[in-house]
Amino acid sequence: NAGVTQTPKFRVLKTGQSMTLLCAQDMNHEYMYWYRQDPGMGLRLIHYSVGEGTTAKGEVPDGYNVSRLKKQNFLLGLESAAPSQTSVYFCASRRQGASGELFFGEGSRLTVL
Amino acid sequence: QQPVQSPQAVILREGEDAVINCSSSKALYSVHWYRQKHGEAPVFLMILLKGGEQKGHEKISASFNEKKQQSSLYLTASQLSYSGTYFCGTEAWMAGGTSYGKLTFGQGTILTVHP
Repeated sequence: NAGVTQTPKFRVLKTGQSMTLLCAQDMNHEYMYWYRQDPGMGLRLIHYSVGEGTTAKGEVPDGYNVSRLKKQNFLLGLESAAPSQTSVYFCASRRQGASGELFFGEGSRLTVL
Repeated sequence: QQPVQSPQAVILREGEDAVINCSSSKALYSVHWYRQKHGEAPVFLMILLKGGEQKGHEKISASFNEKKQQSSLYLTASQLSYSGTYFCGTEAWMAGGTSYGKLTFGQGTILTVHP
């Protein structure tokens, strides 16, 4: 019963470095999401995908790129990390349709120095 | 655009009731409610759908006013375990009677229940 798995769970980067966060789900869900969470800001949508090979921008997409080459995986990339990207990142997935609830990963804490 | 939640914080004693509101500037297809404990991932509570179908939690209820584009979460006879941050998430209604799957969240309401 893995559900949604995020790797890595913690990472420290220097400004300008790049990295990729991996999200994997084993529930055969169509929809996948990346959110970032900062104190007092709630959960803000970065990018999302409604199916394999498709991605769309959320509310705060700048500085991030994503790919969904396989249905079960959704990758979030930071090409040139900035201190403003210090945050907790949550991946989530759900089945297609109005009544699909979100299943969240445990979160990845990223610090950019 | 993110939905707006109110109040930002609520402090209760065990057994008291609370209402958390969520409003959107767009016509809504669905409203989700989640609770998050400190240091953990959000956990599903409730979904309310356009047309009235509701899925969710036994001891927590919610309403969905489609005309006003608002939803409210009702927590009755609160327990210590209800403490946490509550988020509403909304999907906008799109032409053709569906949504594009885009789910955005409000800024959260911090609920604290004291003995």
